[in-house]
Amino acid sequence: DSGVTQTPKHLITATGQRVTLRCSPRSGDLSVYWYQQSLDQGLQFLIQYYNGEERAKGNILERFSAQQFPDLHSELNLSSLELGDSALYFCASSVVWASGYNEQFFGPGTRLTVL
Amino acid sequence: DAKTTQPNSMESNEEEPVHLPCNHSTISGTDYIHWYRQLPSQGPEYVIHGLTSNVNNRMASLAIAEDRKSSTLILHRATLRDAAVYYCILGSDDKIIFGKGTRLHILP
Repeated sequence: DSGVTQTPKHLITATGQRVTLRCSPRSGDLSVYWYQQSLDQGLQFLIQYYNGEERAKGNILERFSAQQFPDLHSELNLSSLELGDSALYFCASSVVWASGYNEQFFGPGTRLTVL
Repeated sequence: DAKTTQPNSMESNEEEPVHLPCNHSTISGTDYIHWYRQLPSQGPEYVIHGLTSNVNNRMASLAIAEDRKSSTLILHRATLRDAAVYYCILGSDDKIIFGKGTRLHILP
């Protein structure tokens, strides 16, 4: 158990819909990262927040957005869903902002299926 | 972003050491070398990381070449629970970029 929690575990929805994935970081961690893992693309970094502020952006689509709240939990919002958005979405956390130098702790993931 | 090259898959016998290679010829002076692994149906798990010197922890050892253009993750005594995808990653500043990794099969 990494200490990072994600809800829900599974989510099934239809094309065109909007969903929200939630992540609670490990106690004391200020950074939250979101990743998407699909069969053909592997693990793709989406976005990072540090202490409520956006810190780094990866391959995140404009239809996707995220935020980190004062209690440090984070939400990833996916809108106008397409079939290709079906994937595992992982959240990770770390103590500091510079993820390149420190370990990240990953949650169990949310499996999103878009029908 | 600096890239890493790993074999797609490897096999090893249970209770024997495993050496997982990684090439990163374009590594910069500030890049750390990280290894993560992903067990089936789980999120990635941190294994080890280092900058220049070899590193040891309870899970594994990391051997870094003197020119830092390659590294090797060493599992000293593989068990069936070590069967996973192992990612060698270069991390600097804001993010770490995952590649395809090496799928490690452990034979009983």
